Amino acid sequence: EPEVTQTPSHQVTQMGQEVILRCVPISNHLYFYWYRQILGQKVEFLVSFYNNEISEKSEIFDDQFSVERPDGSNFTLKIRSTKLEDSAMYFCASSAAGSSYNEQFFGPGTRLTVL
Amino acid sequence: KNQVEQSPQSLIILEGKNCTLQCNYTVSPFSNLRWYKQDTGRGPVSLTIMTFSENTKSNGRYTATLDADTKQSSLHITASQLSDSASYICVVMYSGGGADGLTFGKGTHLIIQP
Repeated sequence: EPEVTQTPSHQVTQMGQEVILRCVPISNHLYFYWYRQILGQKVEFLVSFYNNEISEKSEIFDDQFSVERPDGSNFTLKIRSTKLEDSAMYFCASSAAGSSYNEQFFGPGTRLTVL
Repeated sequence: KNQVEQSPQSLIILEGKNCTLQCNYTVSPFSNLRWYKQDTGRGPVSLTIMTFSENTKSNGRYTATLDADTKQSSLHITASQLSDSASYICVVMYSGGGADGLTFGKGTHLIIQP
């Protein structure tokens, strides 16, 4: 069964460093998403991406964040200068279509720890 | 403000027993409601998606109900198994919203004991 994969599973970085989180969405999906979940809190939407551009983004997704689909398979989230409060689980998701009813498939997540 | 509240926050039951998890929401206008299962350290996995016109939807031993008038949903798990231990997240989407229209609850942490 096709699934969304994410690497690395755990990333530890120093405050102020840049990190890139990687995701491989399900191959025939066209819509891609990043979410984050701070420990003990609810999942929060960051950004959606379609046709090589951002569709929507939340207020969390400030200038420190960027997304890219560098090739036909990978979808990346970059944090330019990490802050302590960026420590969280980051989930990538993908869907076949962008309708509000369409199911999103989530990856296993990357746990980011900023020291 | 769009909110999703889940109860209980955590629940422990014995293997083989049934349980019901609750979700109340204030999201408006409503588009659909989803229940996800999230195993520890994993991403959420969809169990059901329900629209305004659907009152009940089943997926194996999971049965979700929706009362759009009272803005309440429940997830009933029948004959629980050890593998049901997970967090169960209620997610509501408002009509006209894209991915940013998803409002997540904090989840109910369910533990099944042998």
